[in-house]
Amino acid sequence: DIQMTQSPSAMSASVGDRVTITCRASQGISNSLAWFQQKPGKVPKCLIYTSSSLQSGVPSRFSGSGSGTEFTLTISSLQPEDFATYYCLQHNSYPYTFGQGTKLEIK
Amino acid sequence: EVQLVESGGGLVQPGGSLRLSCAASGFTFSSFWMSWVRQAPGKGLEWVANIKEDGSGKYYVDSVRGRFTISRDNAKNSLSLQMNSLRAEDTAVYYCARGRWVTYWGQGALVTVSS
Repeated sequence: DIQMTQSPSAMSASVGDRVTITCRASQGISNSLAWFQQKPGKVPKCLIYTSSSLQSGVPSRFSGSGSGTEFTLTISSLQPEDFATYYCLQHNSYPYTFGQGTKLEIK
Repeated sequence: EVQLVESGGGLVQPGGSLRLSCAASGFTFSSFWMSWVRQAPGKGLEWVANIKEDGSGKYYVDSVRGRFTISRDNAKNSLSLQMNSLRAEDTAVYYCARGRWVTYWGQGALVTVSS
């Protein structure tokens, strides 16, 4: 199985900060990576698919990049509603696998 | 508007069975892969299974293969997950989701496996 490792596992940041979350795959997955945001008690929401495509309705401050084994999710200017847990998902090889999550908290 | 509504969750004893259903609307169901993803209490997300548009391809995570069966009825815009030989570690919220990269999710159905 492909292992997805997110870093950091947790972080704190301030409103207005630029934030980057990294997801590393244990083997190459081309651009088959999606990013999700989950707030406490809520359903996960897809932000990015195929590494860099912005899901409809998602603010443009979110962006994704990467290919192969290293991927990043960037929030250009953190807003209060962005404090949540973020997950990556590889959809290149079965079984699909999620990263362990990155909890983004308010500093 | 894409809508996915799960049903069928509940409390079941270890070794028991449960069938989850997902009613889809707001899109052409037969044109999309469909998936199940679960989340154990306080834990991260785990991909469980998906099924091709016409039902000809089905894929599972190792921990459920042979116990769970994913199926779909394109005439009824419905997705199902038959869960047999349930274990305590299957306790989770089960989400129905659209597509291979799960871009739209339902609200989830809680499955609790306990004696």
